[in-house]
Amino acid sequence: RKEVEQDPGPFNVPEGATVAFNCTYSNSASQSFFWYRQDCRKEPKLLMSVYSSGNEDGRFTAQLNRASQYISLLIRDSKLSDSATYLCVVNNNFNKFYFGSGTKLNVKP
Amino acid sequence: NAGVTQTPKFRVLKTGQSMTLLCAQDMNHEYMYWYRQDPGMGLRLIHYSVGEGTTAKGEVPDGYNVSRLKKQNFLLGLESAAPSQTSVYFCASSPPHRGNQPQHFGDGTRLSIL
Repeated sequence: RKEVEQDPGPFNVPEGATVAFNCTYSNSASQSFFWYRQDCRKEPKLLMSVYSSGNEDGRFTAQLNRASQYISLLIRDSKLSDSATYLCVVNNNFNKFYFGSGTKLNVKP
Repeated sequence: NAGVTQTPKFRVLKTGQSMTLLCAQDMNHEYMYWYRQDPGMGLRLIHYSVGEGTTAKGEVPDGYNVSRLKKQNFLLGLESAAPSQTSVYFCASSPPHRGNQPQHFGDGTRLSIL
């Protein structure tokens, strides 16, 4: 079983739509959670950390559900510039980060 | 702010050739990592280091060696390149893991083995 699993998509949404991605993780002892954004052939860039109580950054909201072992990312009012691959990343408080294979988002005009 | 710098950015090798990829970070991070990313796949950890002079194997270490002689540098070596090592290689660094400390990535090295 993979450490982190994501729906690869693609999610094709119109501008202005709300879209949500989920990511499940297998290690119940995982401590830190992140969403990264990766544009085609570029390096992953931190979008936001995910805190236990959930957190929001502008149009982006991240949630953590420890009981069901998943994290989610909600994007409101999608922009064309949001088109990218979104990577879920989990850290088990030791030395390694585990990456999902990414969910591709296409925002259409 | 340079952050994490990888050199070279592109390279084409012939099977059997050797080369070294350099990663340098100026954030005084303890931890450094080398990943590879192949089409349709997530990042896979090759080797990592938790401090100067220490290295450890990740998920896909075969065919690669690493060295961390200085805290700011993490080198990835291919002794005898194979076509299966054609990939995009990313280096990352992070502080020790206390709370939500994310990784910072270099902009990648695109390596083709013919």
